[in-house]
Amino acid sequence: GENVEQHPSTLSVQEGDSAVIKCTYSDSASNYFPWYKQELGKRPQLIIDIRSNVGEKKDQRIAVTLNKTAKHFSLHITETQPEDSAVYFCAAVNRGGGNKLTFGTGTQLKVEL
Amino acid sequence: EPEVTQTPSHQVTQMGQEVILRCVPISNHLYFYWYRQILGQKVEFLVSFYNNEISEKSEIFDDQFSVERPDGSNFTLKIRSTKLEDSAMYFCASNGIPFGETQYFGPGTRLLVL
Repeated sequence: GENVEQHPSTLSVQEGDSAVIKCTYSDSASNYFPWYKQELGKRPQLIIDIRSNVGEKKDQRIAVTLNKTAKHFSLHITETQPEDSAVYFCAAVNRGGGNKLTFGTGTQLKVEL
Repeated sequence: EPEVTQTPSHQVTQMGQEVILRCVPISNHLYFYWYRQILGQKVEFLVSFYNNEISEKSEIFDDQFSVERPDGSNFTLKIRSTKLEDSAMYFCASNGIPFGETQYFGPGTRLLVL
């Protein structure tokens, strides 16, 4: 089955700096890669996603890149703000294989003033 | 904006007791999921459900677990005889189509087994 690795487990940045979180996946059949933000005690909320026919996608301060050959994808947050502090999870989905989300282990992002 | 809802928000139970966790998916969605998250760990897939039957289940979803869609709106997860290690946050999710559609998560039920 699919296995998703995520790094780093914790990330501390200064407000205004950029943050990068990286994930690798094992199943070459995975073709949809969402990113979720989870605040303490809350539900995971989708912040951006990318499909395998696209190499990069951007939404304001958030961007995701995908390298299918290397089986890795990354989340980039620019101009970080304190409200970006949360746990971020990457996930991989094989859309032809049941659509279950296989999550990475999470990155605790802390944006310091 | 429609949301997935879950009840109860918290449940405390004794080991060996049965619990039923309830979810109301977004109304026009057809695919339903349960995930769990042990405190401080990643979210793990339990089961997916479509057209009144299980589509896929993980190795966590053993004979103690069952799911049901008893009516047109509710989707339930039953744990027949709870164990200490079942203590976790349980999230329900739903989406409209299986291919590329976002899964929307409910707020979760925090289950504590004593």
